[in-house]
Amino acid sequence: AIQMTQSPSSLSASVGDRVTITCRASQGIRNDLGWYQQKPGKAPKLLIYAASSLQSGVPSRFSGSGSATDFTLTISGLQPEDFATYYCLQDYRYPRTFGQGTKVEIK
Amino acid sequence: EVQLVESGGALVQPGGSLRLSCAASGFTFNSYWMAWVRQAPGKGLEWVANINRDETERNYVDSVKGRFTVSRDIAKNSVYLQMNSLRVEDTAIYYCARDETHYDGSAYYDGLDIWGQGTMVTVSS
Repeated sequence: AIQMTQSPSSLSASVGDRVTITCRASQGIRNDLGWYQQKPGKAPKLLIYAASSLQSGVPSRFSGSGSATDFTLTISGLQPEDFATYYCLQDYRYPRTFGQGTKVEIK
Repeated sequence: EVQLVESGGALVQPGGSLRLSCAASGFTFNSYWMAWVRQAPGKGLEWVANINRDETERNYVDSVKGRFTVSRDIAKNSVYLQMNSLRVEDTAIYYCARDETHYDGSAYYDGLDIWGQGTMVTVSS
């Protein structure tokens, strides 16, 4: 199975900060990658698909980039509602695999 | 309103069986692949299985192959996860999700765009 490695596993940031989370695939996955946000006790929410396409209704401060093995999720201007855990998910090959998650906490 | 509602979670002994259900509403159910994702207590997300529109293709994570079966009933707008030979490590919240496919003119891309609220499965003696 393709392994997805996220970094960092957690970070502390302030409202208004620019935050970057990375995801590395164990093999090339073209741009078949999505990013998800999960808040405590809630189901995940799709933010980005195809590595850089913003899901409908998601604020434009979220952006994604990358291809092949290295991907980035950027939050430009962190808002209070953005404190959550973020996961990448590769949809290039079965079984689909998630990264281990990055928890974004308030500094 | 587009919605997915899971049910069927319970406490079950190791080696037991359970069937989870996910009822879809607010969209054309037979136009979408459907997926199951689980999350063990305090852990990350794990993709479990998916099924295509007409049940001709099913995919599973290795740890559940031969034990879990995903199916769907178009008449009932529902997707199911039959879980047999359950293990302690199957303990998790199980989410169903709609698997939307996007086409940009040259390639297809997936995204789990609608999720249910989850149903808890606990495997313990």
